[in-house]
Amino acid sequence: DSGVTQTPKHLITATGQRVTLRCSPRSGDLSVYWYQQSLDQGLQFLIQYYNGEERAKGNILERFSAQQFPDLHSELNLSSLELGDSALYFCASSVDGSADTQYFGPGTRLTVL
Amino acid sequence: ILNVEQSPQSLHVQEGDSTNFTCSFPSSNFYALHWYRWETAKSPEALFVMTLNGDEKKKGRISATLNTKEGYSYLYIKGSQPEDSATYLCAFIGGSNYKLTFGKGTLLTVNP
Repeated sequence: DSGVTQTPKHLITATGQRVTLRCSPRSGDLSVYWYQQSLDQGLQFLIQYYNGEERAKGNILERFSAQQFPDLHSELNLSSLELGDSALYFCASSVDGSADTQYFGPGTRLTVL
Repeated sequence: ILNVEQSPQSLHVQEGDSTNFTCSFPSSNFYALHWYRWETAKSPEALFVMTLNGDEKKKGRISATLNTKEGYSYLYIKGSQPEDSATYLCAFIGGSNYKLTFGKGTLLTVNP
């Protein structure tokens, strides 16, 4: 158990819908990262927050957005969902958001039907 | 687009064998390299963070080396055990933007 929690564990929804994935970092970690893993791709970095501010952005679609709240938990919002958005979404956290060790949560499995 | 390559893609060894695999990354603008171990149905677990050329890190039977000038890192497992079966991922950070670019991993299967 890494200490990073993600909810929900599984999510099944329809195309065109909007969902919110939630992540709570390890106690003391200030930085949160979001990753997507699709069947045919490796782990793809989406976005990073540090202490409430966006720090780095990867290949995140415009239909996706994220934020980190004052209590340091983070939410990833996915809207206008398409079949291709079906994937495993991981959240990770680290202490200072530099190149330090990232601790991964258990992931949220999103299925878009 | 950053290219992080891992080889081999998969590997089958017998219990007790020692093994190693490679991660190749751009040699310019190096900032850090991470190694993760990912067991099926679990989440990636950090093994090493490497930042200096010539770095060698060790954790039990697993060790890693880093050559930033030529752009590669090796992960070694000594005396493989069935519980070592997992996908081993490397991830590269170039520059100071802190974005991890992952390789596709090496899937290791250790047969008892």
